[in-house]
Amino acid sequence: KNEVEQSPQNLTAQEGEFITINCSYSVGISALHWLQQHPGGGIVSLFMLSSGKKKHGRLIATINIQEKHSSLHITASHPRDSAVYICAALSYNTDKLIFGTGTRLQVFP
Amino acid sequence: DSGVTQTPKHLITATGQRVTLRCSPRSGDLSVYWYQQSLDQGLQFLIQYYNGEERAKGNILERFSAQQFPDLHSELNLSSLELGDSALYFCASSVATSLEFHEQFFGPGTRLTVL
Repeated sequence: KNEVEQSPQNLTAQEGEFITINCSYSVGISALHWLQQHPGGGIVSLFMLSSGKKKHGRLIATINIQEKHSSLHITASHPRDSAVYICAALSYNTDKLIFGTGTRLQVFP
Repeated sequence: DSGVTQTPKHLITATGQRVTLRCSPRSGDLSVYWYQQSLDQGLQFLIQYYNGEERAKGNILERFSAQQFPDLHSELNLSSLELGDSALYFCASSVATSLEFHEQFFGPGTRLTVL
């Protein structure tokens, strides 16, 4: 079992839909990152959080430390949101980033 | 454009060879991170340098080494290359001394193909 698991693996949506991507981890963490990787391969850091909730534009990330779970929400999704979304947990014990396998999102017009 | 540059963009080489990947961090960032993304293993953290010193080590093979120079650019050296080393290698930079709490800015990556 992976230490960081994401669901779903693949997600398709119609433009305008509300999207949720989930990340569960089994290790103690100092922080959790959400990354976006575009079809061309480029990676953008979306959020880093260690508690609560963060919002940037149409993106919202939440984390529940007790439940070892984080979610990434996209409101009013758009085709340009089509990408792979990756969560990465910073292990408290080893200080290493452990990556989930990613969620491939496709938003159709 | 993240401000992080990586060269070369593409590299094709043969098994047993040695290559050097280069990364220039964003202006003002002291930390450089190296990541490997292969098809079967996903993204993996390799190593972090902060202001010239190694700060954290991930799943980096002994055949791989890295360093960060006084001008803060970093090089990742891969030697005795194997087919399985074919991957995208990303560099990222941040102001952080550790991996936590600070945004990392990713370079465009170097695609290494080992034939």
